[in-house]
Amino acid sequence: KAGVTQTPRYLIKTRGQQVTLSCSPISGHRSVSWYQQTPGQGLQFLFEYFSETQRNKGNFPGRFSGRQFSNSRSEMNVSTLELGDSALYLCASSPRDRVGYTFGSGTRLTVV
Amino acid sequence: GQQLNQSPQSMFIQEGEDVSMNCTSSSIFNTWLWYKQDPGEGPVLLIALYKAGELTSNGRLTAQFGITRKDSFLNISASIPSDVGIYFCLSFGNEKLTFGTGTRLTIIP
Repeated sequence: KAGVTQTPRYLIKTRGQQVTLSCSPISGHRSVSWYQQTPGQGLQFLFEYFSETQRNKGNFPGRFSGRQFSNSRSEMNVSTLELGDSALYLCASSPRDRVGYTFGSGTRLTVV
Repeated sequence: GQQLNQSPQSMFIQEGEDVSMNCTSSSIFNTWLWYKQDPGEGPVLLIALYKAGELTSNGRLTAQFGITRKDSFLNISASIPSDVGIYFCLSFGNEKLTFGTGTRLTIIP
């Protein structure tokens, strides 16, 4: 079966712009979570959605937001981009409560 | 957010050697997951542990959920070149999702 699909794979934006990243979970998976990965900070949890509701949120500013649709697909939005937002953004899906997350290949965002 | 103490940070070994890494925490967790990440890719689940004391194998990999529920280890036996990468532990308990800082495994020719 298809894995977790993230689009786009690569993105270059300028400071001040906003960006939307997309994640399509494995069919049947209702939990979707987002992570930021940088060389300096490692993997940092952004937020988690289950059945269209945000269930958990990490310590990121309000510029980072997300949502989940009725088909479990999720989007993440970052407004007013800063250079420090350059990172690999990973999405993961799970079939039910936090059982064996499957990660996508990520979106590499570069802010210039 | 909070991170788990994962050690060692990096390992340089020769092909065929065994590898051991662990994650520890001051908090109790209900689940421990071990992942491997190749450059430019997302982490891939290796082993999932759901019960204290559980010992699970996946080929040459073996992982254990500590009895105290505050730690876990991952062993790789007879390492091969494709084992190169970064290994992460991921855990949650009490609605808290926490990551290890990662162990970078390098195999010396």
